[in-house]
Amino acid sequence: EAGVTQFPSHSVIEKGQTVTLRCDPISGHDNLYWYRRVMGKEIKFLLHFVKESKQDESGMPNNRFLAERTGGTYSTLKVQPAELEDSGVYFCASSRLTGMYSGEQYFGPGTRLTVT
Amino acid sequence: GESVGLHLPTLSVQEGDNSIINCAYSNSASDYFIWYKQESGKGPQFIIDIRSNMDKRQGQRVTVLLNKTVKHLSLQIAATQPGDSAVYFCAENPYSGAGSYQLTFGKGTKLSVIP
Repeated sequence: EAGVTQFPSHSVIEKGQTVTLRCDPISGHDNLYWYRRVMGKEIKFLLHFVKESKQDESGMPNNRFLAERTGGTYSTLKVQPAELEDSGVYFCASSRLTGMYSGEQYFGPGTRLTVT
Repeated sequence: GESVGLHLPTLSVQEGDNSIINCAYSNSASDYFIWYKQESGKGPQFIIDIRSNMDKRQGQRVTVLLNKTVKHLSLQIAATQPGDSAVYFCAENPYSGAGSYQLTFGKGTKLSVIP
């Protein structure tokens, strides 16, 4: 079974530019999550999809971040315009639909975003 | 690596010894806890989980202990091996009834195994 994949692995952009990160969850996983770790901080939750619907987007920092999951398969996270404080590692995770608890969340390798 | 700039507690253990990694959580409503292992350049990897109706759970070479009274979680690794060297995170999930599965991560502990 293929794991969660993320693209690109590393992105370097200038402040004010736009970047789109992609996540392909494990096939059959209805739950998809985005997390990020910015420099010197813990891994923080951004949002959670159940299929194509946003179940919880309480962690999204501001309206410069837009996440989509059209068709309930892969997901994209767009940052527009990027700011210096957006630099960090963005992780995607997926899990099966199990009810009360998420069950094991499988993480991708992350995309390292550097905004200069 | 991702830990640059993040000042992590470090635990150094001799190969073959047992390791104990501790974590304090803050949300008394949390009812599901997970330990993750993260190696350099990789995403967090699930190790073991425990629900709040339990105080101990064992896996292969790992044991998680949960003390809800003091909001403390620990991970015990038996016969630590060089491949166990990594950053270990505890994570909690408060059940809100609204189907939110967001995890709250701790700061992490860097485990270094001395051959």
